Amino acid sequence: RKEVEQDPGPFNVPEGATVAFNCTYSNSASQSFFWYRQDCRKEPKLLMSVYSSGNEDGRFTAQLNRASQYISLLIRDSKLSDSATYLCVVNNGGSQGNLIFGKGTKLSVKP
Amino acid sequence: EAQVTQNPRYLITVTGKKLTVTCSQNMNHEYMSWYRQDPGLGLRQIYYSMNVEVTDKGDVPEGYKVSRKEKRNFPLILESPSPNQTSLYFCASSFSPGTNSYEQYFGPGTRLTVT
Repeated sequence: RKEVEQDPGPFNVPEGATVAFNCTYSNSASQSFFWYRQDCRKEPKLLMSVYSSGNEDGRFTAQLNRASQYISLLIRDSKLSDSATYLCVVNNGGSQGNLIFGKGTKLSVKP
Repeated sequence: EAQVTQNPRYLITVTGKKLTVTCSQNMNHEYMSWYRQDPGLGLRQIYYSMNVEVTDKGDVPEGYKVSRKEKRNFPLILESPSPNQTSLYFCASSFSPGTNSYEQYFGPGTRLTVT
């Protein structure tokens, strides 16, 4: 069975901290990689797609290491509003419609 | 407004009573999926569809049926619901022809309780 593994946390950090989440995936044929954010009892929403060259969006930086089958998300200068569960998502091999979600890493940012 | 809608949002039913959860998207997406989310298990894909009349099983298809007769609609059918199908269900859609984006847009969720 193809897997996506994440540290479940919770990560409890103070405002302003830098926090990093890691994710590993088992299917070497995967081609699409994403980080989603999910607030309690709400639908997941796309935070970032992850590209081979790495990409940055404001305080968020995503990295992909295909050789190690590893994805990371770095959040700098954490805000209270960053508190959520972060989901690592990978497509299952050649099928872009078949996505596998990690179980998520819970982040709690405290004042 | 681009969106995925699901109905009903909340449903309490009894074992064995057939039900349908509807899902509709207005973004001309080709891909649609159904997921269930359970504590400690995360989001698991039930079925997905790559286009009209093209569907395939995800990780947990047992006890569910789907159909894709029109591009915008992807209903989830539980022919004989059982208590182990009590869960939070999400519909999602992605991929418009001519784009290179596979970002999934999710509906607001349907909380189903089977007693």
